[in-house]
Amino acid sequence: AQSVAQPEDQVNVAEGNPLTVKCTYSVSGNPYLFWYVQYPNRGLQFLLKYITGDNLVKGSYGFEAEFNKSQTSFHLKKPSALVSDSALYFCANQGGKLIFGQGTELSVKP
Amino acid sequence: EAQVTQNPRYLITVTGKKLTVTCSQNMNHEYMSWYRQDPGLGLRQIYYSMNVEVTDKGDVPEGYKVSRKEKRNFPLILESPSPNQTSLYFCASSSSRDRGLGYTFGSGTRLTVV
Repeated sequence: AQSVAQPEDQVNVAEGNPLTVKCTYSVSGNPYLFWYVQYPNRGLQFLLKYITGDNLVKGSYGFEAEFNKSQTSFHLKKPSALVSDSALYFCANQGGKLIFGQGTELSVKP
Repeated sequence: EAQVTQNPRYLITVTGKKLTVTCSQNMNHEYMSWYRQDPGLGLRQIYYSMNVEVTDKGDVPEGYKVSRKEKRNFPLILESPSPNQTSLYFCASSSSRDRGLGYTFGSGTRLTVV
């Protein structure tokens, strides 16, 4: 069975500092990994995905994610956080259907 | 604009009163799905549809029904809602279920059953 885990319920970062939102996966076969963001009272918006190729994937709003096969991780990163990045972030794997992690609340303070 | 539209955005109802949440997509997508989002549990799939008249259960189908009579519409039906169905619901669509395509999500429906 496939699963996705986000070990942190909440991440707090000061504006301007780098941020990391962690994600690990357990799948049979090749992973197809996604990051989605949910702003308050909004639906989920696609940020980026890893299918194959370079382990560093760049996405929307300056976010990037690093795929690490040996650690079965797909952490979301941004070099310099903005207050407007505050939102709920979901990691997911698509093995036929999207399986989501529990979500991580990112809070960026001025 | 390509989008998935859900209605209503907010709904408060009483236990046992049948309700329908509508979902419509304008992208000619074959695959549609319903998820519920609960704190600490992420999003869990309720039902999905591979195409018109083809539907199947997801991970948490109990207490829900769906139908897919037209390609663009995929309503979620709660025949007898209960308080444990209080949740945030999302409809999503994709051109297929193939790996790597991802989904387009609606804005969500926040349902409260009292």
